[in-house]
Amino acid sequence: NAGVTQTPKFQVLKTGQSMTLQCAQDMNHNSMYWYRQDPGMGLRLIYYSASEGTTDKGEVPNGYNVSRLNKREFSLRLESAAPSQTSVYFCASSERQDRGYGYTFGSGTRLTVV
Amino acid sequence: AQSVTQLDSQVPVFEEAPVELRCNYSSSVSVYLFWYVQYPNQGLQLLLKYLSGSTLVESINGFEAEFNKSQTSFHLRKPSVHISDTAEYFCAVSVPGSGNTPLVFGKGTRLSVIA
Repeated sequence: NAGVTQTPKFQVLKTGQSMTLQCAQDMNHNSMYWYRQDPGMGLRLIYYSASEGTTDKGEVPNGYNVSRLNKREFSLRLESAAPSQTSVYFCASSERQDRGYGYTFGSGTRLTVV
Repeated sequence: AQSVTQLDSQVPVFEEAPVELRCNYSSSVSVYLFWYVQYPNQGLQLLLKYLSGSTLVESINGFEAEFNKSQTSFHLRKPSVHISDTAEYFCAVSVPGSGNTPLVFGKGTRLSVIA
């Protein structure tokens, strides 16, 4: 089925460990996004990639890095995980959201840092 | 810059009762408006959107939203809710022709339908 695939779905890390969240889309979308969702905070943009080869910071980039590996894949890396990064992470993609296409979201990665 | 305010963080409602989830936006230019729904333990799905034309837009599962430019609102309504409508609902705004500037989301409204 066409869409956005995120791996893993669940992860528990110890403080200081590193990990990479993977995201891939098969809709030939140009833009990809990483959000985190915390209770009462809504969705907060971490990083986005408007097109292959470009990345930009969002609202809460500290503690994260991203790589737009190719048009399909956009990964999010936590170099040294902290308990404050416990959250649900969503990847999304879009053709041209300013033309009204909106986003397609993945099903999320639930990350717990202990 | 654009912003979105969802006035209620939680809305409890009895099954078969009507519901309105409120969304106000701030923008000095024309906008596109979206409602997304997030069912428990799932990602967000597009529910409906307003781009232009008729100010009343409908979804396939009975929700509707009306764009009101003078009140800068895009409230979501359903005349009779079901248990299966229990979810979190997010309003979002974008600006036509703004390139790949990300959508701006509200903080969400959690709708709980009570049997």
